[in-house]
Amino acid sequence: GAVVSQHPSRVICKSGTSVKIECRSLDFQATTMFWYRQFPKQSLMLMATSNEGSKATYEQGVEKDKFLINHASLTLSTLTVTSAHPEDSSFYICSARARGGRREQYFGPGTRLTVT
Amino acid sequence: AQKITQTQPGMFVQEKEAVTLDCTYDTSDPSYGLFWYKQPSSGEMIFLIYQGSYDQQNATEGRYSLNFQKARKSANLVISASQLGDSAMYFCAMREAYSGGGADGLTFGKGTHLIIQP
Repeated sequence: GAVVSQHPSRVICKSGTSVKIECRSLDFQATTMFWYRQFPKQSLMLMATSNEGSKATYEQGVEKDKFLINHASLTLSTLTVTSAHPEDSSFYICSARARGGRREQYFGPGTRLTVT
Repeated sequence: AQKITQTQPGMFVQEKEAVTLDCTYDTSDPSYGLFWYKQPSSGEMIFLIYQGSYDQQNATEGRYSLNFQKARKSANLVISASQLGDSAMYFCAMREAYSGGGADGLTFGKGTHLIIQP
């Protein structure tokens, strides 16, 4: 199946700093990537949709200036958590949908962010 | 109202038994897709099965089958002959064609924690 990677897998940062998370589709081109957040023992919540070459679409309640998304190529999307605070600590998961309309979204392994 | 409802927060099942995980959904879109994902303790989301709203037959993928009852807005996952490695969180999710989040973003249920006992 299609492979999506995320880097880093875990990151610990201090409050007030920014953290960048990368999401790559390794063996397919993804015109659309999605960013989800998952708090412990809870479900995944869609944060934003990232389209190659255009601005991301954010879900209601998600601050676009805090969660910067860049989808610079057909295989890479980045999520930058700016001025991170402890409440931003969470599991961030990206997914990608292959070009050509395949129905599945392929998920990355996730990034666990801890803000101290 | 919740779009995806999974009423079983946790389930214990004996190995080799069949398991049914419940999922009901709410949408007014005529076109939508229903997904089941498995999330082991490692956190990765593993795609299991997909059912399109216009599909006439229930989807099957190996030991997984989806009991799709459109009139009842139900999309239960059936795992036949459960194995110890099936222990994980299971999420039901929906993609709506017209009113969903983003372009094809998924809406997830709260999940069911399945534990297979030897």
